[in-house]
Amino acid sequence: GQNIDQPTEMTATEGAIVQINCTYQTSGFNGLFWYQQHAGEAPTFLSYNVLDGLEEKGRFSSFLSRSKGYSYLLLKELQMKDSASYLCAVMDSNYQLIWGAGTKLIIKP
Amino acid sequence: EAQVTQNPRYLITVTGKKLTVTCSQNMNHEYMSWYRQEPGLGLRNIYYSMNVEVTDKGDVPEGYKVSRKEKRNFPLILESPSPNQTSLYFCASSLSEVSSPLHFGNGTRLTVT
Repeated sequence: GQNIDQPTEMTATEGAIVQINCTYQTSGFNGLFWYQQHAGEAPTFLSYNVLDGLEEKGRFSSFLSRSKGYSYLLLKELQMKDSASYLCAVMDSNYQLIWGAGTKLIIKP
Repeated sequence: EAQVTQNPRYLITVTGKKLTVTCSQNMNHEYMSWYRQEPGLGLRNIYYSMNVEVTDKGDVPEGYKVSRKEKRNFPLILESPSPNQTSLYFCASSLSEVSSPLHFGNGTRLTVT
């Protein structure tokens, strides 16, 4: 079966750095997405990785290792507004998105 | 403004009473899809459409119907809602099904009693 694993919840301090991991086992691979979802709101797109390596976009970076079935989202200089759930999704060989359950990130002052 | 518009935002109904949740996008996107979301579970795909008149079942299609008669609209129909369909529903669209990020509507919170 296909599976995406992410930690259920993480806590970090304002101004710090946090890394949210995502491991996947899917039938084929056509890219990995990260989305941010604030409570009660719609998910919004953060990043897309299809090749190995690090993609940096402001305070957020996303890393992919296809051989290890592993990705992480790195958030720097955390702000209170970063408190949200972070969803990892992998596109399989049939171009279907497989979603993780999401990681709830709690930022403390 | 580029957006996906879902209506209604909140809906409380009774078992067996047919309902439709509308979804419209103004970005000329080819790909549209419907998801349901429950706490502790990932987004689960109900149906998707790669273009006009082309619809396919997702992971949890039972109890739902969709149609794609125009490119911009993708309504979700529950012919006979049941309490296990109580959930948060999202419509989403993207330029294509490959590598394009999804744009989500604001969600519809449905309660079936």
